Amino acid sequence: DTAVSQTPKYLVTQMGNDKSIKCEQNLGHDTMYWYKQDSKKFLKIMFSYNNKELIINETVPNRFSPKSPDKAHLNLHINSLELGDSAVYFCASSQDPGSPLHFGNGTRLTVT
Amino acid sequence: GQSLEQPSEVTAVEGAIVQINCTYQTSGFYGLSWYQQHDGGAPTFLSYNALDGLEETGRFSSFLSRSDSYGYLLLQELQMKDSASYFCAVYSGGGGNKLTFGTGTQLKVEL
Repeated sequence: DTAVSQTPKYLVTQMGNDKSIKCEQNLGHDTMYWYKQDSKKFLKIMFSYNNKELIINETVPNRFSPKSPDKAHLNLHINSLELGDSAVYFCASSQDPGSPLHFGNGTRLTVT
Repeated sequence: GQSLEQPSEVTAVEGAIVQINCTYQTSGFYGLSWYQQHDGGAPTFLSYNALDGLEETGRFSSFLSRSDSYGYLLLQELQMKDSASYFCAVYSGGGGNKLTFGTGTQLKVEL
Protein backbone atom coordinates (compact mmCIF):
# COMPACT_ATOMS: atom_id res chain seq x y z
CA ASP A 1 0.00 0.00 0.00
CA THR A 2 1.17 3.51 -0.75
CA ALA A 3 1.22 5.41 2.51
CA VAL A 4 3.05 7.21 5.24
CA SER A 5 3.93 4.69 7.91
CA GLN A 6 5.40 5.40 11.31
CA THR A 7 6.54 3.12 14.09
CA PRO A 8 5.89 2.43 16.82
CA LYS A 9 2.15 3.12 17.14
CA TYR A 10 2.37 3.30 20.93
CA LEU A 11 5.36 4.22 23.05
CA VAL A 12 5.31 4.17 26.84
CA THR A 13 8.50 5.16 28.60
CA GLN A 14 9.85 6.77 31.74
CA MET A 15 11.11 10.29 32.25
CA GLY A 16 14.72 10.74 31.32
CA ASN A 17 14.80 8.02 28.69
CA ASP A 18 15.75 8.51 25.05
CA LYS A 19 13.45 7.22 22.32
CA SER A 20 13.08 7.32 18.54
CA ILE A 21 10.10 7.31 16.19
CA LYS A 22 10.59 6.22 12.60
CA CYS A 23 8.69 7.42 9.56
CA GLU A 24 8.74 6.25 5.97
CA GLN A 25 6.72 7.33 2.95
CA ASN A 26 6.48 5.51 -0.37
CA LEU A 27 4.51 8.23 -2.15
CA GLY A 28 7.58 9.65 -3.85
CA HIS A 29 7.10 12.97 -2.04
CA ASP A 30 9.92 15.45 -1.59
CA THR A 31 8.78 17.02 1.69
CA MET A 32 8.27 15.44 5.11
CA TYR A 33 7.08 16.83 8.43
CA TRP A 34 6.72 16.11 12.12
CA TYR A 35 3.66 17.46 13.94
CA LYS A 36 2.80 17.18 17.63
CA GLN A 37 -0.83 16.88 18.72
CA ASP A 38 -1.49 17.54 22.39
CA SER A 39 -4.37 16.38 24.56
CA LYS A 40 -6.50 19.31 23.37
CA LYS A 41 -5.99 18.15 19.77
CA PHE A 42 -3.86 21.17 18.88
CA LEU A 43 -1.64 20.22 15.92
CA LYS A 44 1.68 22.03 16.00
CA ILE A 45 4.38 21.78 13.37
CA MET A 46 7.79 20.83 14.67
CA PHE A 47 10.03 20.22 11.68
CA SER A 48 9.92 20.03 7.91
CA TYR A 49 12.47 18.60 5.48
CA ASN A 50 12.54 19.05 1.73
CA ASN A 51 14.81 16.62 -0.11
CA LYS A 52 16.66 15.85 3.12
CA GLU A 53 17.22 19.54 3.85
CA LEU A 54 15.72 21.11 6.98
CA ILE A 55 13.38 23.94 5.93
CA ILE A 56 11.22 24.45 9.01
CA ASN A 57 12.45 24.24 12.58
CA GLU A 58 9.92 25.62 15.01
CA THR A 59 10.74 26.55 18.58
CA VAL A 60 11.21 22.98 19.68
CA PRO A 61 13.54 22.02 22.57
CA ASN A 62 16.86 20.79 21.27
CA ARG A 63 16.13 17.46 22.97
CA PHE A 64 14.20 16.77 19.77
CA SER A 65 16.41 15.96 16.81
CA PRO A 66 15.05 14.98 13.39
CA LYS A 67 17.11 12.98 10.95
CA SER A 68 16.41 12.41 7.27
CA PRO A 69 18.73 9.76 5.79
CA ASP A 70 16.94 10.05 2.46
CA LYS A 71 13.86 11.83 1.18
CA ALA A 72 11.62 8.84 1.95
CA HIS A 73 12.52 8.72 5.64
CA LEU A 74 12.28 11.20 8.48
CA ASN A 75 12.99 9.94 11.98
CA LEU A 76 12.55 11.77 15.26
CA HIS A 77 14.84 11.19 18.22
CA ILE A 78 13.94 12.55 21.62
CA ASN A 79 16.45 12.78 24.46
CA SER A 80 15.76 13.05 28.17
CA LEU A 81 12.02 12.62 27.84
CA GLU A 82 9.78 14.78 30.03
CA LEU A 83 6.17 14.41 31.14
CA GLY A 84 5.18 17.28 28.85
CA ASP A 85 6.38 15.35 25.83
CA SER A 86 3.38 13.05 26.14
CA ALA A 87 1.35 13.56 22.96
CA VAL A 88 0.56 12.02 19.61
CA TYR A 89 3.33 12.62 17.08
CA PHE A 90 2.33 12.62 13.43
CA CYS A 91 4.64 12.25 10.49
CA ALA A 92 3.40 13.64 7.18
CA SER A 93 4.59 14.08 3.64
CA SER A 94 3.68 16.24 0.67
CA GLN A 95 4.69 16.38 -2.97
CA ASP A 96 6.39 19.69 -2.29
CA PRO A 97 6.09 22.51 0.25
CA GLY A 98 2.58 23.93 -0.10
CA SER A 99 0.92 20.74 -1.36
CA PRO A 100 -1.65 18.76 0.66
CA LEU A 101 -0.23 16.74 3.51
CA HIS A 102 -0.57 12.98 3.83
CA PHE A 103 -0.36 11.96 7.48
CA GLY A 104 0.81 8.76 9.07
CA ASN A 105 -1.37 7.12 11.72
CA GLY A 106 0.50 8.71 14.58
CA THR A 107 2.63 7.54 17.49
CA ARG A 108 1.07 7.95 20.90
CA LEU A 109 3.90 8.72 23.31
CA THR A 110 3.23 8.44 27.03
CA VAL A 111 5.94 9.52 29.44
CA THR A 112 5.50 8.34 33.03
CA GLY B 1 3.08 34.72 14.00
CA GLN B 2 -0.05 32.97 12.90
CA SER B 3 -3.37 32.56 14.68
CA LEU B 4 -6.51 30.81 13.53
CA GLU B 5 -9.87 30.79 15.25
CA GLN B 6 -12.69 28.35 14.76
CA PRO B 7 -15.58 27.24 16.99
CA SER B 8 -14.69 24.45 19.37
CA GLU B 9 -17.90 22.47 18.88
CA VAL B 10 -20.79 22.28 16.45
CA THR B 11 -23.77 19.93 16.68
CA ALA B 12 -26.17 19.18 13.82
CA VAL B 13 -28.67 16.53 12.80
CA GLU B 14 -28.29 13.98 10.07
CA GLY B 15 -29.24 15.35 6.68
CA ALA B 16 -28.71 18.96 7.68
CA ILE B 17 -26.18 21.53 6.44
CA VAL B 18 -23.48 22.89 8.72
CA GLN B 19 -20.92 25.65 8.25
CA ILE B 20 -17.64 25.77 10.16
CA ASN B 21 -16.02 29.20 10.13
CA CYS B 22 -12.35 30.05 10.35
CA THR B 23 -10.73 33.44 10.79
CA TYR B 24 -7.00 33.82 10.56
CA GLN B 25 -4.16 36.24 11.10
CA THR B 26 -0.92 35.50 9.37
CA SER B 27 1.93 37.06 7.47
CA GLY B 28 2.67 35.89 3.96
CA PHE B 29 -0.65 34.12 3.38
CA TYR B 30 -0.66 31.58 0.54
CA GLY B 31 -3.85 29.60 1.03
CA LEU B 32 -6.37 27.97 3.37
CA SER B 33 -6.83 24.23 3.75
CA TRP B 34 -9.27 22.05 5.62
CA TYR B 35 -8.53 18.67 7.22
CA GLN B 36 -10.78 16.07 8.83
CA GLN B 37 -9.72 13.91 11.74
CA HIS B 38 -11.77 11.10 13.27
CA ASP B 39 -11.08 10.15 16.87
CA GLY B 40 -7.94 8.06 17.05
CA GLY B 41 -7.18 8.64 13.39
CA ALA B 42 -4.91 10.72 11.23
CA PRO B 43 -5.84 14.10 9.74
CA THR B 44 -6.92 13.78 6.11
CA PHE B 45 -6.97 16.51 3.50
CA LEU B 46 -10.36 17.85 2.42
CA SER B 47 -9.86 21.05 0.43
CA TYR B 48 -7.61 23.96 -0.47
CA ASN B 49 -8.42 27.56 -1.40
CA ALA B 50 -5.75 29.89 -2.70
CA LEU B 51 -8.11 32.37 -4.34
CA ASP B 52 -11.34 33.99 -3.20
CA GLY B 53 -14.48 32.03 -3.82
CA LEU B 54 -16.12 28.68 -3.35
CA GLU B 55 -14.57 25.29 -4.11
CA GLU B 56 -16.97 22.34 -4.22
CA THR B 57 -16.05 18.69 -3.77
CA GLY B 58 -19.08 16.47 -3.45
CA ARG B 59 -20.95 17.17 -0.24
CA PHE B 60 -18.17 19.44 1.02
CA SER B 61 -17.48 23.00 -0.10
CA SER B 62 -14.89 25.47 1.10
CA PHE B 63 -14.93 29.24 0.81
CA LEU B 64 -12.22 31.87 1.15
CA SER B 65 -12.26 35.66 1.41
CA ARG B 66 -8.70 36.91 1.53
CA SER B 67 -9.74 40.50 2.17
CA ASP B 68 -11.65 39.40 5.28
CA SER B 69 -9.07 36.79 6.37
CA TYR B 70 -11.99 34.40 6.60
CA GLY B 71 -13.01 31.06 5.28
CA TYR B 72 -15.54 28.36 5.96
CA LEU B 73 -16.19 24.69 5.35
CA LEU B 74 -19.72 23.77 4.34
CA LEU B 75 -20.92 20.23 4.83
CA GLN B 76 -24.19 19.24 3.20
CA GLU B 77 -26.44 16.21 3.66
CA LEU B 78 -24.72 15.41 6.92
CA GLN B 79 -24.10 11.76 7.71
CA MET B 80 -23.19 10.13 11.01
CA LYS B 81 -19.75 9.35 9.61
CA ASP B 82 -19.08 13.09 9.31
CA SER B 83 -18.75 13.27 13.10
CA ALA B 84 -15.11 14.24 13.48
CA SER B 85 -12.81 17.17 14.16
CA TYR B 86 -12.31 19.66 11.36
CA PHE B 87 -9.20 21.83 11.19
CA CYS B 88 -8.58 24.88 9.10
CA ALA B 89 -4.94 25.48 8.26
CA VAL B 90 -3.04 28.28 6.57
CA TYR B 91 -0.01 28.13 4.33
CA SER B 92 2.38 30.92 5.11
CA GLY B 93 6.02 31.77 5.32
CA GLY B 94 8.71 31.90 2.70
CA GLY B 95 7.41 30.01 -0.31
CA GLY B 96 4.21 29.09 1.53
CA ASN B 97 5.77 25.97 2.91
CA LYS B 98 4.54 26.25 6.49
CA LEU B 99 1.12 24.80 7.31
CA THR B 100 -0.27 26.07 10.61
CA PHE B 101 -3.41 24.45 11.97
CA GLY B 102 -6.32 25.98 13.84
CA THR B 103 -7.57 24.60 17.13
CA GLY B 104 -10.14 22.37 15.46
CA THR B 105 -13.94 22.11 15.54
CA GLN B 106 -15.55 19.00 16.94
CA LEU B 107 -18.61 18.21 14.80
CA LYS B 108 -21.25 15.96 16.30
CA VAL B 109 -23.91 14.63 13.97
CA GLU B 110 -27.03 13.38 15.72
CA LEU B 111 -29.99 11.35 14.50
